[in-house]
Amino acid sequence: GAVVSQHPSRVICKSGTSVKIECRSLDFQATTMFWYRQFPKQSLMLMATSNEGSKATYEQGVEKDKFLINHASLTLSTLTVTSAHPEDSSFYICSARDQGLAGELFFGEGSRLTVL
Amino acid sequence: GENVEQHPSTLSVQEGDSAVIKCTYSDSASNYFPWYKQELGKRPQLIIDIRSNVGEKKDQRIAVTLNKTAKHFSLHITETQPEDSAVYFCAATSGTYKYIFGTGTRLKVLA
Repeated sequence: GAVVSQHPSRVICKSGTSVKIECRSLDFQATTMFWYRQFPKQSLMLMATSNEGSKATYEQGVEKDKFLINHASLTLSTLTVTSAHPEDSSFYICSARDQGLAGELFFGEGSRLTVL
Repeated sequence: GENVEQHPSTLSVQEGDSAVIKCTYSDSASNYFPWYKQELGKRPQLIIDIRSNVGEKKDQRIAVTLNKTAKHFSLHITETQPEDSAVYFCAATSGTYKYIFGTGTRLKVLA
């Protein structure tokens, strides 16, 4: 199956700093990538849809100025958590769809963010 | 928008028994229903999926059924093994491929 790589897998930062998470599709081109957030023992909540070459589409309740998404190429999307606070601590997972595989969604490894 | 409900939230079965997890969806336009297995701290992995033009699909010990009229679909795991213990998520999506996930079921297979 297709491979989606996410980096970093773990990051610890101080409150008020910004953190960038990268999501790469390694063997296919992804015009659309999705960013999810998962709190402990909870489901995956869609945050935004990242569109290559255009603005991301954010879900209701997700602050676009807080969670900056950039999809500059067909294989890379980035999520930047700006001015992070402890309540932003979570597991962030990206995913991408391989059009050649009937729309199956492939997930990155996830990034565990801890804000002190 | 789409809303997916999943039951039960936790499920314990004895090794060798069957496990059934059920999901309902709200958007009649949804046409693709995947099931994911997620182990602690890891990414979700697709285990089986079904499209709206099919009523049932089976892959070894795993099967999925879909009732479009009632808007519900179920995951069936037979002859459960300890390694089946994980959190299972259903999802629904339409042509936008914006996947909406269920709340998850924590399956525990007791040896």
